[in-house]
Amino acid sequence: EDQVTQSPEALRLQEGESSSLNCSYTVSGLRGLFWYRQDPGKGPEFLFTLYSAGEEKEKERLKATLTKKESFLHITAPKPEDSATYLCAVQDNYGQNFVFGPGTRLSVLP
Amino acid sequence: GAGVSQTPSNKVTEKGKYVELRCDPISGHTALYWYRQSLGQGPEFLIYFQGTGAADDSGLPNDRFFAVRPEGSVSTLKIQRTERGDSAVYLCASSLIPARMNTGELFFGEGSRLTVL
Repeated sequence: EDQVTQSPEALRLQEGESSSLNCSYTVSGLRGLFWYRQDPGKGPEFLFTLYSAGEEKEKERLKATLTKKESFLHITAPKPEDSATYLCAVQDNYGQNFVFGPGTRLSVLP
Repeated sequence: GAGVSQTPSNKVTEKGKYVELRCDPISGHTALYWYRQSLGQGPEFLIYFQGTGAADDSGLPNDRFFAVRPEGSVSTLKIQRTERGDSAVYLCASSLIPARMNTGELFFGEGSRLTVL
């Protein structure tokens, strides 16, 4: 059974203070790993897809990286508007659904 | 509208009642997913439709839960004999591309918050 864990559960940063969020996964053959952002009261919003170890994707202040066991979402010089819950999800080579982790709740203080 | 629409946005019901939650996906999206999300948790998969058929219903927790998509667009999630443990936000997502070829970009609605008293 595919499993996704995320750490930390919550993270509080000062504006401009860079940090990383972790997503650890266990899958029987990774097809893809996905990062989403979720604002309170909203549905998740797609950010990145990573397919193989060593791959990196960037978008504004966010950079996602992937190894064989985990993914990191690096946030460089965050701003208050980056405050949200960041969700990691995986899809394996055999199933059709996307398995989500519990998320990391990020707060960026001005 | 341009996005995934879910109704009602909020539903309060009593234990034992029947509820229906509706999802109107983005026009032309053949793939449709239902997830439910409890407070502080990530979305939990329920069912995936490709067109009119349920391609994967392995996430439905028991036979009180049922979903249909008769014309391949709008979908309805039906919950019979509701229990307090069914309280959650029910999210619907759609995609133009079938799951096995998907790049991971699912478009989610804002969800239907179900409260069972």
